[in-house]
Amino acid sequence: KNEVEQSPQNLTAQEGEFITINCSYSVGISALHWLQQHPGGGIVSLFMLSSGKKKHGRLIATINIQEKHSSLHITASHPRDSAVYICAVSRGTEKLVFGKGTKLTVNP
Amino acid sequence: DTEVTQTPKHLVMGMTNKKSLKCEQHMGHRAMYWYKQKAKKPPELMFVYSYEKLSINESVPSRFSPECPNSSLLNLHLHALQPEDSALYLCASSQEVISSSEQYFGPGTRLTVT
Repeated sequence: KNEVEQSPQNLTAQEGEFITINCSYSVGISALHWLQQHPGGGIVSLFMLSSGKKKHGRLIATINIQEKHSSLHITASHPRDSAVYICAVSRGTEKLVFGKGTKLTVNP
Repeated sequence: DTEVTQTPKHLVMGMTNKKSLKCEQHMGHRAMYWYKQKAKKPPELMFVYSYEKLSINESVPSRFSPECPNSSLLNLHLHALQPEDSALYLCASSQEVISSSEQYFGPGTRLTVT
């Protein structure tokens, strides 16, 4: 079993819809990262969080440490949000452990 | 400047060639990373440099040779690669090698080994 599990693996939405991507992890962590990768492109760090909630524009990330669960929400989705969203966790000086990613497609 | 740059963007090389990938950041970060990413898979860590010293080598074959000439630059020297080494190679940097330090990724070099 992966240390980091994401769901769903694939997600298709219509423009304007509210989107939620989930991430669960099995061990104690220092921080959880949400990353975005467009097709053929590099990775952009969206959020790093260790508790509570963070918001940036139309993106919101939450984490529940007790339940070992995080969600990434996208409000008013747009075709340019189409990308792979990756959840990763870190502990101390250990390397990042990545989930397998969620491929999001937003249709106009 | 919150950018990590990588050159070249694309590289095609034969199995007998020697080539180098370059990565640069000017954020004053003291940790730099090389990752390898195959299609539809998450990145796999290859090497970590901390304060210009190699701190982690994830059992990477010796045909990949990293180098950190100074705190802003990271190179990956390639020699006698195999076709299965074809992948996207990502560089990243962070303030320190600790979990509270956010990693900034470059755009990657798409490597094809023929």
